[in-house]
Amino acid sequence: DAGVIQSPRHEVTEMGQEVTLRCKPISGHNSLFWYRQTMMRGLELLIYFNNNVPIDDSGMPEDRFSAKMPNASFSTLKIQPSEPRDSAVYFCASKISGNTIYFGEGSWLTVV
Amino acid sequence: GENVEQHPSTLSVQEGDSAVIKCTYSDSASNYFPWYKQELGKRPQLIIDIRSNVGEKKDQRIAVTLNKTAKHFSLHITETQPEDSAVYFCAASYGAGSYQLTFGKGTKLSVIP
Repeated sequence: DAGVIQSPRHEVTEMGQEVTLRCKPISGHNSLFWYRQTMMRGLELLIYFNNNVPIDDSGMPEDRFSAKMPNASFSTLKIQPSEPRDSAVYFCASKISGNTIYFGEGSWLTVV
Repeated sequence: GENVEQHPSTLSVQEGDSAVIKCTYSDSASNYFPWYKQELGKRPQLIIDIRSNVGEKKDQRIAVTLNKTAKHFSLHITETQPEDSAVYFCAASYGAGSYQLTFGKGTKLSVIP
């Protein structure tokens, strides 16, 4: 299995621009997560989908952030407009029933 | 909600020595405790986990212990090697199939050759 696939791996964008991060979970996994990792705050859960339905988005920092999962094999995390404080590594992760969560390689976002 | 504290934040050991990382959790309902290893620029990867019905679990040079009464769990790495250098995260969650995994802030382990 190719694992959780994320794109882009690296993105540098200007403040105010829209950023879209993409994720393909492991085939057959029914849960998908978006995490944000920074030095100051560590790993934070942004949103959790189960069977393509958003279950918990309480970690989404503000209205500038939105996430979708139109089908079982694809999800997006969008930031519009982006700000410098959004600079972080964004990880997508997935799992099937049980507890083991598998992370993607991450999308390194820099907003200048 | 759950709160996970992890110590120390940095740890340096000589190659061949043992390393111990400790975590405490707040929610007595938590019953699943994984440990992740994250190498520089890489993704977190599960290295070992333990469930609350077990007090200790071992996998080669890595072991995890759990004290439910005190609400703390620890990662033990013996005979450390330079490739063990990484950031290690503990986490806790509750409920079968629970999605809510709360992570500690991480421990940067450096193994000095």
